[in-house]
Order: sequence, then C-alpha cells, then structure tokens
Amino acid sequence: EDQVTQSPEALRLQEGESSSLNCSYTVSGLRGLFWYRQDPGKGPEFLFTLYSAGEEKEKERLKATITKKESFLHITAPKPEDSATYLCAVDAGNNRKLIWGLGTSLAVNP
Amino acid sequence: DSGVTQTPKHLITATGQRVTLRCSPRSGDLSVYWYQQSLDQGLQFLIQYYNGEERAKGNILERFSAQQFPDLHSELNLSSLELGDSALYFCASSAPGYTDTQYFGPGTRLTVL
Repeated sequence: EDQVTQSPEALRLQEGESSSLNCSYTVSGLRGLFWYRQDPGKGPEFLFTLYSAGEEKEKERLKATITKKESFLHITAPKPEDSATYLCAVDAGNNRKLIWGLGTSLAVNP
Repeated sequence: DSGVTQTPKHLITATGQRVTLRCSPRSGDLSVYWYQQSLDQGLQFLIQYYNGEERAKGNILERFSAQQFPDLHSELNLSSLELGDSALYFCASSAPGYTDTQYFGPGTRLTVL
C-alpha cells in the first residue's frame, strides 16, 4: 500500500538552530513529491516539487532533497516566522490522488 | 496569495442543514480538488474535477457532492450536516502537467452546532 510518513511529529528549535524534517514514502512509482507549508487556519502554501532521486531545490532558508525512499526538508538558521506545519505529499501516478503525510509541526523560539 | 478563492470564509450552521461552499480556481487551471481538514487531522482528499468532469474520488461521504461549472468554478454541497462535519474545507487547483502541483485556497471554516 502506498504510504507517506513524516517525522518528527513536532519539533521545537531555537532561532538559528538548523535541523531537518523527514518524509519517508513507499509508493509503486514516484511521479513527484511535494512540500507545503501550512500556518494555523490557513491553506497549505506550495514550497517545492521534486521529481527524482538526487534532485535538490532551495528557497531562502529551506532546502529540499530526495532519495529513492525519503525526502528531507533542511532548515538552515531558522527564524520564528518559519514556525508552521510542513506537509509532504506524493504523486504515485496510479489514481490522480496525492498521498499526504500528517505533517511536522515546527516551532522556532526567538 | 495563491490565486484560488473560496467563499465564504466562515460558515456556522445547525445539524441537519445543507450548505454550499464555492471555489474559483487560478486563472488557466482546469482541475479543482476539495479537501477536508478536521482539528489536528491531516488533509483528507474528497474529490477532483477536471474541466467539468469528475476525475478522482476520495473519502467523500454520500451526503456530500460537488460539481464544476463551465466557467471552471466549483461548488461543494454538504447536506444533512452532523457535528463531525465541522472542519476546514480547502479547495485547490492545478494546471495540467506531468504531475499536478496543487495550489490551495484560504479555506472555509465550517462549524456545525
């Protein structure tokens, strides 16, 4: 069964303390892996799409990487405004539906 | 701002009632997706429409229905509402491609009393 698992469920960092969020996936065939950021009560905001192992994408303090089994969202020198829930989703290409992880809730303390 | 609009922002109603949520996709996008997100729950995919036709179905209850109109806006109808239907309802849209990056609207918060 296609599955996406995100870890940790919650992460608390001090401002400037770099870390990584994990998205592990087991799917029959990967067409794309997506990272989103969601603030409380708001719609998910698209961050990155990764298509194949070895690909990397960056945006400000965020960098997404991917292997054949997992993706990482690296946060470098985070700021309090990076506090949000980060969601990972996978397009397995078999029924037009994305498979969503439950997210990692990130809190960055000043 | 993703370019996807949803109305209303908030909706408070009573059990047994029926409501309609509206979504306008980004200009040029042909696909519309509906999701439900309950408190502390993940995103639950409900249904997808592509250019007016139903394309994929998720965990959508029989009390819920949706449609996409010729101008590509979509409506989600929720009937015989129950307390457990209280949630955030999101609409997303995407342009056709190898893999469809979805852009989300701000959501409608539904409270059933």
